[in-house]
Amino acid sequence: DAKTTQPPSMDCAEGRAANLPCNHSTISGNEYVYWYRQIHSQGPQYIIHGLKNNETNEMASLIITEDRKSSTLILPHATLRDTAVYYCIVRDQTGANNLFFGTGTRLTVIP
Amino acid sequence: DADVTQTPRNRITKTGKRIMLECSQTKGHDRMYWYRQDPGLGLRLIYYSFDVKDINKGEISDGYSVSRQAQAKFSLSLESAIPNQTALYFCATSDPGTEVWGYTFGSGTRLTVV
Repeated sequence: DAKTTQPPSMDCAEGRAANLPCNHSTISGNEYVYWYRQIHSQGPQYIIHGLKNNETNEMASLIITEDRKSSTLILPHATLRDTAVYYCIVRDQTGANNLFFGTGTRLTVIP
Repeated sequence: DADVTQTPRNRITKTGKRIMLECSQTKGHDRMYWYRQDPGLGLRLIYYSFDVKDINKGEISDGYSVSRQAQAKFSLSLESAIPNQTALYFCATSDPGTEVWGYTFGSGTRLTVV
């Protein structure tokens, strides 16, 4: 599976959009980009995933560049409850079907 | 009730003791996983199972063993606990049959080995 690179930490003002970047320059054609988050030692929670096209759900939007080498998770109106560690994961659809977590980005939403 | 339940939630044990962490799920998923998380680090895969008859080692399986007693149950054992196994342990499930290959995690077991 391709590796990902994320900034270790970010701050965002409450009510503003939080944009979390992820680099995955070695991504292959059949690998999806997944985002999970972990709130204070709870189990990680799935947010969104995508292959090529931009995706949006009730939690967030995922913007994937045309060359698929990077992506951005957008929380449109960050709240204090969005403070968490956000993991960007690139995963092959074949083989072990495992998720490999890096250290993620610690997002702190500031009042 | 939670979809993925881990017991115990917290445990303190002594070096050399055998300990079992249990995981049960009501999702009906075939695939189950055990991860460990150390402070400030991401999750690392210990073992995984794709069905009752399938057990596979993850990236850090040394010192651990697992048992898949049924589709819904997947236990992790530390045969002889050591202090560097102090960590937060997560069980997870997934179902490849669904379009969204999301994982569902339990709430975690915080294990301290003294």
